[in-house]
Amino acid sequence: GNSVTQMEGPVTLSEEAFLTINCTYTATGYPSLFWYVQYPGEGLQLLLKATKADDKGSNKGFEATYRKETTSFHLEKGSVQVSDSAVYFCALSGNIIQGAQKLVFGQGTRLTINP
Amino acid sequence: DVKVTQSSRYLVKRTGEKVFLECVQDMDHENMFWYRQDPGLGLRLIYFSYDVKMKEKGDIPEGYSVSREKKERFSLILESASTNQTSMYLCASTHRSYGRRNQPQHFGDGTRLSIL
Repeated sequence: GNSVTQMEGPVTLSEEAFLTINCTYTATGYPSLFWYVQYPGEGLQLLLKATKADDKGSNKGFEATYRKETTSFHLEKGSVQVSDSAVYFCALSGNIIQGAQKLVFGQGTRLTINP
Repeated sequence: DVKVTQSSRYLVKRTGEKVFLECVQDMDHENMFWYRQDPGLGLRLIYFSYDVKMKEKGDIPEGYSVSREKKERFSLILESASTNQTSMYLCASTHRSYGRRNQPQHFGDGTRLSIL
């Protein structure tokens, strides 16, 4: 079945450090891949997505490239800020049932950025 | 912007009570979803609905039921609350997918439910 594995957290970095959060997946067919972010006390927000192999999604300085050969979708940012402290979820598009597309989520990675 | 509104941010109930969690979306989305979020487990799908009065079980439906009487509203029901249902509950919605698997889901801010 479909599954997503993220690097275990928590991750703690200093401001302006380089960030990588690893995400690998197992899926049949050609899923789309997503990164969601959850700020403290809030729901999930879509951060970026990629819909086919070699696509690069980007938003707010974050990037992730859909790598079919390594089944990966790692999240990167060149210089993190304190305001990036949040929980990050990798997800893939699963089966469509009666027009409802399911998402399969990773376990989440908590990121803390220290000033 | 899509707005998904969950009626309560925090809720405290007692074991054995019947609990209702409400979710409303304003974008005329066909599909609505209920998840629970627990540390280290990510989001797990409880139930989803693809149309009024239509529902499907997700991965962990035991102990829960749902109701969708109107397109914009999707309710999660804990028939007899138990302490292991203490969790964060998230509602999401999206348009109908016509074969292309690229639909992101739009989430509410969550309800943190404690069962004592």
